[in-house]
Amino acid sequence: NAGVTQTPKFQVLKTGQSMTLQCAQDMNHNSMYWYRQDPGMGLRLIYYSASEGTTDKGEVPNGYNVSRLNKREFSLRLESAAPSQTSVYFCAGSDRGSTDTQYFGPGTRLTVL
Amino acid sequence: AQSVTQLDSQVPVFEEAPVELRCNYSSSVSVYLFWYVQYPNQGLQLLLKYLSGSTLVKGINGFEAEFNKSQTSFHLRKPSVHISDTAEYFCAVTPSGGYNKLIFGAGTRLAVHP
Repeated sequence: NAGVTQTPKFQVLKTGQSMTLQCAQDMNHNSMYWYRQDPGMGLRLIYYSASEGTTDKGEVPNGYNVSRLNKREFSLRLESAAPSQTSVYFCAGSDRGSTDTQYFGPGTRLTVL
Repeated sequence: AQSVTQLDSQVPVFEEAPVELRCNYSSSVSVYLFWYVQYPNQGLQLLLKYLSGSTLVKGINGFEAEFNKSQTSFHLRKPSVHISDTAEYFCAVTPSGGYNKLIFGAGTRLAVHP
C-alpha cells in the first residue's frame, strides 16, 4: 500500500497563477483533509471532506477550493496564487470518527513569488 | 473552540538524557488528545493518543504521555532519547464525538545532540 500520496512534491508559482494539488489514498478512508504548515504555527486545516461527496471549510479556507473526486482522491486548487499562500501543504486521510488516527502524505512545498 | 499551546518551541537535549515536551490545551467540551511526530522532510505520523481510561498512555519508540484533566495538560516524555528522535513534535486535540478535525499546537523541535 502506498498510503497517502501527494503530487507534486515541489512547485514554484508566480502571483496570480493557478494550480491544483493532488492527493490520493489507498487506505479506504472515508474522510480526507488538507492542511497548511507554516513556521511557528503548526498545521492549520484548510478544508476537509467527511465523506465522499461532501466538503467543508476548515480554519483557513480563503483563497482555496477543493474537490472530492471519489473516495480515493481529494484535490486542492489555488485559483489565483498569492505570496501568503507560500507554505507546505499536507493531505491526510482517516476514518470518520474523532478517535481515529489521521494518516498524512509527504507534503507539497509551494512557493509563490 | 479548542486551542493548544506547546510551551517550548525548541528543546535541545543530549543523547540518553530524559526529555519532556509540554502541551496544554483549552476546551469547553471533552476532547481527545494526540501527539504526532514529523521527521525531517516527511509527513506527520502518530506517536500516541489519549481517548479515555488510564491517564498514562504509551506510544511508539518508547514515548509516553500523561493526561492531566485538572491542569489541562498532556505532556510527552521519554526516559532516554536517541539521535534518531530528532524531529518536530505536535500536540493536537479534537472534540470527542464530532468530526475528526484536529487542532494542532505550534510544534516543538527536539534536537538530540551526541
